[in-house]
Amino acid sequence: NAGVMQNPRHLVRRRGQEARLRCSPMKGHSHVYWYRQLPEEGLKFMVYLQKENIIDESGMPKERFSAEFPKEGPSILRIQQVVRGDSAAYFCASSLGQTSAIEAFFGQGTRLTVV
Amino acid sequence: QKEVEQDPGPLSVPEGAIVSLNCTYSNSAFQYFMWYRQYSRKGPELLMYTYSSGNKEDGRFTAQVDKSSKYISLFIRDSQPSDSATYLCAMIDRGSTLGRLYFGRGTQLTVWP
Repeated sequence: NAGVMQNPRHLVRRRGQEARLRCSPMKGHSHVYWYRQLPEEGLKFMVYLQKENIIDESGMPKERFSAEFPKEGPSILRIQQVVRGDSAAYFCASSLGQTSAIEAFFGQGTRLTVV
Repeated sequence: QKEVEQDPGPLSVPEGAIVSLNCTYSNSAFQYFMWYRQYSRKGPELLMYTYSSGNKEDGRFTAQVDKSSKYISLFIRDSQPSDSATYLCAMIDRGSTLGRLYFGRGTQLTVWP
């Protein structure tokens, strides 16, 4: 059973471009969580999604950031008009259900570099 | 004040030593307490979690939670070079959707042979 798959592993974008980060949860998992890890900082919650629903987006910046988890396909974290401060590692986690967030499995992350 | 505080270290110990890692927190609503291990350039891996106060043991690892002091610990016995990693504590608020983890910034541990 493959783990949580994130791609790309590394992404370089110029300022002003769009970044799309993909997360395929573990088989059977319907809950997805996105976290951002800035240099020298811990992971910061961004958004919690179920299939076709955003459950909690309290950690998402108000502008330029959006996330979706469609009925079919991976979850997407989209960053429009990237700035240097968006450079970070973005991790996705998945779980079977809400109460299993405690035991969510993390992917290997996407490292975004904005130049 | 951050909700979860964790000394980033680095912490360096000889093989076989007992390692103590700690976090403090300010939100009394936290009810689940987790410890993750993260190797360089990898995703966090759950080591163990504890509900409310008390101790939990799993092999060489022991987690302790003291809710009265808002203090949690992870002890690693007989530490091995393969334990060298960053250890992250994380917590969940009982009033939340149970989807949001609050992380400490991590403690970098090196176990030398």
